Amino acid sequence: QKEVEQNSGPLSVPEGAIASLNCTYSDRGSQSFFWYRQYSGKSPELIMSIYSNGDKEDGRFTAQLNKASQYVSLLIRDSQPSDSATYLCAVNMGNSGYALNFGKGTSLLVTP
Amino acid sequence: EPEVTQTPSHQVTQMGQEVILRCVPISNHLYFYWYRQILGQKVEFLVSFYNNEISEKSEIFDDQFSVERPDGSNFTLKIRSTKLEDSAMYFCASSEGMGSYEQYFGPGTRLTVT
Repeated sequence: QKEVEQNSGPLSVPEGAIASLNCTYSDRGSQSFFWYRQYSGKSPELIMSIYSNGDKEDGRFTAQLNKASQYVSLLIRDSQPSDSATYLCAVNMGNSGYALNFGKGTSLLVTP
Repeated sequence: EPEVTQTPSHQVTQMGQEVILRCVPISNHLYFYWYRQILGQKVEFLVSFYNNEISEKSEIFDDQFSVERPDGSNFTLKIRSTKLEDSAMYFCASSEGMGSYEQYFGPGTRLTVT
């Protein structure tokens, strides 16, 4: 059973701080990695994709990937109360599949 | 900005009935997906569809389920003989394909089986 693991949280950070969200995955054949944000009762919203080892920055978000360690992370700089949500890590299944395997998500709470 | 749309937003059905959930993927996207999320649980992959046929499916996607692209815009998920445990949010997603793998999700259909 291929697994995507995330700490469920809640992760609480003060407004303006950096939030660090982590994810590990078991499928060594995975090539595509995604972070989604999900507000309660809503659908997943794509934040970032990353395919190569290293860092990828987009605005306040930075995704980091280490395939050797099977680890992907998301940093949110200057966290805002509106960032309070559940963050889902998703990994494609296998070498060439497009289907995504999701983690259970980390709940982030940004306090004013 | 183009988006995935889904109808209905909420469907209530009795156990044993058939339901059809509808989705309109983003117009230039080539890959379509269905996922479900049981309340309090993780998002689970059901099926992917490309070039008018199923390209991948999970163990959840058994003979009770089917998908169809009845015309150039709609993508449907049919659930036959619904069970209580089919109650969940069903999300449609689409991706451009052709080397672009980002999947964009619709707002979901909440299915309640009574």
